[in-house]
Amino acid sequence: DAMVIQNPRYQVTQFGKPVTLSCSQTLNHNVMYWYQQKSSQAPKLLFHYYDKDFNNEADTPDNFQSRRPNTSFCFLDIRSPGLGDAAMYLCATSRVVAGGGEETQYFGPGTRLLVL
Amino acid sequence: GQNIDQPTEMTATEGAIVQINCTYQTSGFNGLFWYQQHAGEAPTFLSYNVLDGLEEKGRFSSFLSRSKGYSYLLLKELQMKDSASYLCAVRNSNYQLIWGAGTKLIIKP
Repeated sequence: DAMVIQNPRYQVTQFGKPVTLSCSQTLNHNVMYWYQQKSSQAPKLLFHYYDKDFNNEADTPDNFQSRRPNTSFCFLDIRSPGLGDAAMYLCATSRVVAGGGEETQYFGPGTRLLVL
Repeated sequence: GQNIDQPTEMTATEGAIVQINCTYQTSGFNGLFWYQQHAGEAPTFLSYNVLDGLEEKGRFSSFLSRSKGYSYLLLKELQMKDSASYLCAVRNSNYQLIWGAGTKLIIKP
């Protein structure tokens, strides 16, 4: 049973054409993350939501935006994709428990973005 | 700065044992994670260590020494399906997850 779902698995877009990637979860986790991962590199955190609170990493380009309309869904919007934005985009979720501790992050299958 | 170091690539033989090391320097420590990532797929959780010592889970074990900033992942009875990248990640005092670049493990028959 899929717990973190990402659609689509593969996305092809044109240089400069806005694109939206989606993530949904059935775990009822309060934290959702978006990572960018390029080949043979560590996942790079773009931003995360703790409930509705949005937390942007300092080095995330303005070209990347996110929306979380409810607990289950989170979207990554790339306003004007460049060739350098071609990567795997990973959504992850986790739960912050009472006392502030956070449990393990669980990842979706990822969306591979190709920019032509 | 904060960094995680792990070897870029390792090769081992089917049926053998391999140890993948990870050293870290982070601002505080709130746990260390190992993830497995097959090519083109998402990372999947393998193990979590927050106290010193060895955690065993089937063919996989993970060890942590907080005083040395060191962990290893031990894989026994290697199978061809274990060919993957293994990512070490440390949660720091701000609850940020700091990731290593991963160790690509190649299993040969």
